[in-house]
Amino acid sequence: DAKTTQPPSMDCAEGRAANLPCNHSTISGNEYVYWYRQIHSQGPQYIIHGLKNNETNEMASLIITEDRKSSTLILPHATLRDTAVYYCIVRQTGANNLFFGTGTRLTVIP
Amino acid sequence: DVKVTQSSRYLVKRTGEKVFLECVQDMDHENMFWYRQDPGLGLRLIYFSYDVKMKEKGDIPEGYSVSREKKERFSLILESASTNQTSMYLCASSRGLIGSGSSQAQHFGDGTRLSIL
Repeated sequence: DAKTTQPPSMDCAEGRAANLPCNHSTISGNEYVYWYRQIHSQGPQYIIHGLKNNETNEMASLIITEDRKSSTLILPHATLRDTAVYYCIVRQTGANNLFFGTGTRLTVIP
Repeated sequence: DVKVTQSSRYLVKRTGEKVFLECVQDMDHENMFWYRQDPGLGLRLIYFSYDVKMKEKGDIPEGYSVSREKKERFSLILESASTNQTSMYLCASSRGLIGSGSSQAQHFGDGTRLSIL
């Protein structure tokens, strides 16, 4: 699986959009980009995934650059409950494991 | 919504005890996983199962075994608990390994924080 690089921490004002970047410059053609988050004392929660195209669901949007070397997770209107560690993972289809790095600790400020 | 339930949130056991951690999922998922999470090391895969009575070793299987007698239940067993097995244990499930990316999204329980004294 390709390695990912994320900033260790970010702050976001409540109600504003949170944009979390991820670099995955060694990604290969059959690897998906997944985003998970982990709220304190809970298990990781799946957010969204994509391969080439931008994706949107009820939780977030995922923007993947055309060369696929980086992506951005967007939480359109951050709330205090979005405070968590966010993990960007690149994974081959059919692979069994998920490699969680250190992620980005997002703090939503009132 | 997918629900993965782990039997205990907190557990304290003694060195040498045999420890059972239970996990149940309610979405008829084929695959189930056991991870441990330690500070600075991220999640590490212990064992996984892609079908009833089937199991595969992950990255750190030593000192652990698993059991999957029913599709919805996956048990992690510490044969003889040691202090270096003090950790947060996370169970996850997913639908299928081959296919679209969405089918491989893993859904996690809230974890069991295990302390071995």
